[in-house]
Amino acid sequence: QVQLVESGGGVVQPGRSLKLSCAASGFIFSSYGMHWVRQASGKGLEWVAVIAYDGNEKYYTDSVKGRFTISRDNSKNTLYLQMNSLRDEDTAVYYCAKSEGAVAGTFEYWGQGTLVTVSS
Amino acid sequence: SYVLTQPPSVSVAPGKTASITCGGNNIGSKNVHWYQQKPGQAPVLVISYNGDRPSGIPERFSGSNSGNTATLTINRVEAGDEADYYCQLWDGSSDPPVFGGGTRLTVL
Repeated sequence: QVQLVESGGGVVQPGRSLKLSCAASGFIFSSYGMHWVRQASGKGLEWVAVIAYDGNEKYYTDSVKGRFTISRDNSKNTLYLQMNSLRDEDTAVYYCAKSEGAVAGTFEYWGQGTLVTVSS
Repeated sequence: SYVLTQPPSVSVAPGKTASITCGGNNIGSKNVHWYQQKPGQAPVLVISYNGDRPSGIPERFSGSNSGNTATLTINRVEAGDEADYYCQLWDGSSDPPVFGGGTRLTVL
């Protein structure tokens, strides 16, 4: 069965960096696009970034462009999100999600999330 | 970017039918997906491509999409259906993936 396990969350000061990981299993990781989606406490879902199956296409929501970088290592079945210049408003639970397709499609499966708290 | 509009809350008695709407400009021409999120849990896909049910989702869940409104319908609502529901779409075009604001379904 598909499993997505996020890690790397924690408490970080504004302006600092954090790198999230998502370990995938139960499917051919190198064939599917992968997303990061976040959710602030008590708020709705916000799409953050997507990476194509081969890493050659990457898209970001406007609020994180230039600060966050999505990447993947298909040899390790792992997705990453490097977050730099963190702001208070980046505080949220970050979910990784498997796309149904090579890039686009549904958010077919979700991990349980990892909490990022940006606070001084 | 494209905007999806959902009512903040919907209430329904057990055994009745719940309808949750998702409004957007000419949304009927797009593929809409629906997710269920129970408190403290990750979202789960319940309807894909307007009306397809993934494996394991009860037949009580169905979807439709026409004009400017997509609708998630839950028949014979159960207490366990109480959750937040989000509509979403992305066709890989220049617009980014977008979620509706979410609807809290309360079972009375």
